[in-house]
Amino acid sequence: DSGVTQTPKHLITATGQRVTLRCSPRSGDLSVYWYQQSLDQGLQFLIQYYNGEERAKGNILERFSAQQFPDLHSELNLSSLELGDSALYFCASSNREDGETQYFGPGTRLLVL
Amino acid sequence: GNSVTQMEGPVTLSEEAFLTINCTYTATGYPSLFWYVQYPGEGLQLLLKATKADDKGSNKGFEATYRKETTSFHLEKGSVQVSDSAVYFCALSEDSGAGSYQLTFGKGTKLSVIP
Repeated sequence: DSGVTQTPKHLITATGQRVTLRCSPRSGDLSVYWYQQSLDQGLQFLIQYYNGEERAKGNILERFSAQQFPDLHSELNLSSLELGDSALYFCASSNREDGETQYFGPGTRLLVL
Repeated sequence: GNSVTQMEGPVTLSEEAFLTINCTYTATGYPSLFWYVQYPGEGLQLLLKATKADDKGSNKGFEATYRKETTSFHLEKGSVQVSDSAVYFCALSEDSGAGSYQLTFGKGTKLSVIP
């Protein structure tokens, strides 16, 4: 158990819908990273937040957005969903002392029908 | 940009066989290198890491040495067990200058160990 929690574990929805994925980092970790794992693209970095502020952006679609709240949990919002958004979404957290070592949550499996 | 290339799987080995999974990288600066493991139905677990040239990371019998001259970080284990069956990901991170250490992953290598 990494100490990173993600909810829900599974999500099934329809095209055009909007969903929110939630992540709670390890206690004391200020950084949260979001990654998408799909069969065709592999594991790709989406976005990072540090202590409530956006720190870096990767291959994140404009239909996707994220935020980090004062209690440091983070949410990834996916809207106007398409079939191709079906994937496993991971969040990871790291601390200030060792920012480069990331600990991953169990993931949320999203299926868009 | 940064990239990681690891050997295509799947790899099937008998129990107690020697394991090597090749990983090479391209980076603009001096990255840190990682191996993560993903067991079926689970998230990624950090297996080992190395932060500078000639460093050796090790954990649970697995080892990998950061080779700057060959830009490689091959994963090895002397004697695999059935419980090692999983997907292994090589990854690198490099500080983008803004305190961001986003990981760049290889495509993963699926290992199956048969009794």
